[in-house]
Amino acid sequence: GAVVSQHPSRVICKSGTSVKIECRSLDFQATTMFWYRQFPKKSLMLMATSNEGSKATYEQGVEKDKFLINHASLTLSTLTVTSAHPEDSSFYICSARDGWVQETQYFGPGTRLLVL
Amino acid sequence: AQSVSQHNHHVILSEAASLELGCNYSYGGTVNLFWYVQYPGQHLQLLLKYFSGDPLVKGIKGFEAEFIKSKFSFNLRKPSVQWSDTAEYFCAVLSGSQGNLIFGKGTKLSVKP
Repeated sequence: GAVVSQHPSRVICKSGTSVKIECRSLDFQATTMFWYRQFPKKSLMLMATSNEGSKATYEQGVEKDKFLINHASLTLSTLTVTSAHPEDSSFYICSARDGWVQETQYFGPGTRLLVL
Repeated sequence: AQSVSQHNHHVILSEAASLELGCNYSYGGTVNLFWYVQYPGQHLQLLLKYFSGDPLVKGIKGFEAEFIKSKFSFNLRKPSVQWSDTAEYFCAVLSGSQGNLIFGKGTKLSVKP
């Protein structure tokens, strides 16, 4: 089946620094990738939709300048958390959509971010 | 806006018990529905999906779900659970606008050996 990887799997950083998270589709081309945030004991909340070669579409309440998304190729999307603060600590998950039919998304393993 | 609700936050069963996890969605038109499972420490995996056709959908690992349009429901079932089914289960609906998934809050299933 289709595989999506994320790197790093976990990261600890100091408050004020920036962190980049990569999401790769390993064996298929993903024209669209999604970034979710999962809070403890809560569901996944969509942060933004990333389409290859165009600007990401952010959900209401998600700061564009804080969560920078780049989808430069059909297999790679990056999420950069800029000037991270402790409240940004969370589990970030990406997913990639394979093709236009049967709209199935494949999820990455997630990245645990801890901001000290 | 579309929404998904999962009624049970935490379900505890003994092995061999039957399982039914509730899922209701809000949208009244054409819907594409999914169940995902997240085993401890692992990523989300697709259990099954419904797009059209037979409302009784069979998925992996013996799971099935029934789409009942009149009840706006897509409940997940398994006749006999195993300890290895311990995981968190998420129901989701495909959003028509961007193709993203809208998730329910998840149901944690604990199966006692």
